[in-house]
Amino acid sequence: SQQGEEDPQALSIQEGENATMNCSYKTSINNLQWYRQNSGRGLVHLILIRSNEREKHSGRLRVTLDTSKKSSSLLITASRAADTASYFCATGNFGNEKLTFGTGTRLTIIP
Amino acid sequence: DARVTQTPRHKVTEMGQEVTMRCQPILGHNTVFWYRQTMMQGLELLAYFRNRAPLDDSGMPKDRFSAEMPDATLATLKIQPSEPRDSAVYFCASGLAQFELGQGARDTEAFFGQGTRLTVV
Repeated sequence: SQQGEEDPQALSIQEGENATMNCSYKTSINNLQWYRQNSGRGLVHLILIRSNEREKHSGRLRVTLDTSKKSSSLLITASRAADTASYFCATGNFGNEKLTFGTGTRLTIIP
Repeated sequence: DARVTQTPRHKVTEMGQEVTMRCQPILGHNTVFWYRQTMMQGLELLAYFRNRAPLDDSGMPKDRFSAEMPDATLATLKIQPSEPRDSAVYFCASGLAQFELGQGARDTEAFFGQGTRLTVV
């Protein structure tokens, strides 16, 4: 079963705009991670945020975490055509780090 | 350039045949995950190992699937007998779990292989 659920399922924006994706999860977590998957490829780790952190930045990526609402958001600023991919959140549980993934958001950047 | 290597990349087999998928994790990683990805179910965790010991294989159909780590450089996922509903992309991922006293493992970033696309006809 899925631990996380991304919203929206699909998102299309113009190049240069910002893209925001959300993730909701069900149980207590140790950390939340975001991954990207290009068509036909494996997943690539983007960023990890711990349960005691509220916000984290990495280049054009900004991740927020609200443990009271069991939700996270991924913001990609100044989007590029190369950002077209599916984005997944994954949660790690305390103690065993069993990584379970959400359903993903399909992001399309229109040149 | 450390990476997770999966073989084969593609496999077409007839229903009832045995299928073996192999994974070479990144040297030094202590955690190995097996995932299955389909359009309908998304990414499902089948099993994962820490230091070659299976920690959780509850996501795996026990009657036909088996996962092992014969040594630290090889993880295998076997399906016997295979069925058409097993058609999917199977991903192996490895990571280095960090441990903190009293808290167990945390912050394991997973490095994925390119996957094995399995088609059972």
